[in-house]
Amino acid sequence: GESVGLHLPTLSVQEGDNSIINCAYSNSASDYFIWYKQESGKGPQFIIDIRSNMDKRQGQRVTVLLNKTVKHLSLQIAATQPGDSAVYFCAEPLGGKLIFGQGTELSVKP
Amino acid sequence: GAGVSQSPSNKVTEKGKDVELRCDPISGHTALYWYRQSLGQGLEFLIYFQGNSAPDKSGLPSDRFSAERTGGSVSTLTIQRTQQEDSAVYLCASSPSWAQYFGPGTRLTVL
Repeated sequence: GESVGLHLPTLSVQEGDNSIINCAYSNSASDYFIWYKQESGKGPQFIIDIRSNMDKRQGQRVTVLLNKTVKHLSLQIAATQPGDSAVYFCAEPLGGKLIFGQGTELSVKP
Repeated sequence: GAGVSQSPSNKVTEKGKDVELRCDPISGHTALYWYRQSLGQGLEFLIYFQGNSAPDKSGLPSDRFSAERTGGSVSTLTIQRTQQEDSAVYLCASSPSWAQYFGPGTRLTVL
């Protein structure tokens, strides 16, 4: 069936470095993707979204890249900070609801 | 502004009891979703309300689970005859279109 999945379950980076979190999707007809951040004990928080007519979208310290050829998207976090430590999920609308990937846990080392 | 709120934040119950979890969505959001998240896991879709349409109940794990949304706003998720495997964080989200905005969740512990 259709799915959205993440390449790595955990990612550890040094404070100040850039982080890249990857996500693969299988539905070539998907036209919208969202990244969420979930801190411990909290609900997921919307970070950034991208439509399929775009290859790149930038927010504050975050950039999402979409490669439709290989059905891959990534979330880049610039100058990663301790407050960025969380689980990051990509999500894709399917049948009126969002399908979430497994999640990648980002740990930032001071 | 006010976000999605859920109550209670924590609920401890005994096996076999019924529980009700409440979600207050963001005003004006037409869609409301319930998810379940076990420790260290991703989000499991449970049910989805969109306006006045019949809800999408395809994610409810058993007939012990039900939900309603009154007046297109507040929603209640009810779990009857709770089991230990029901222990999880139950998350509610509301949406004006595709992007969903989540509440803090209710942590349910079934003893």
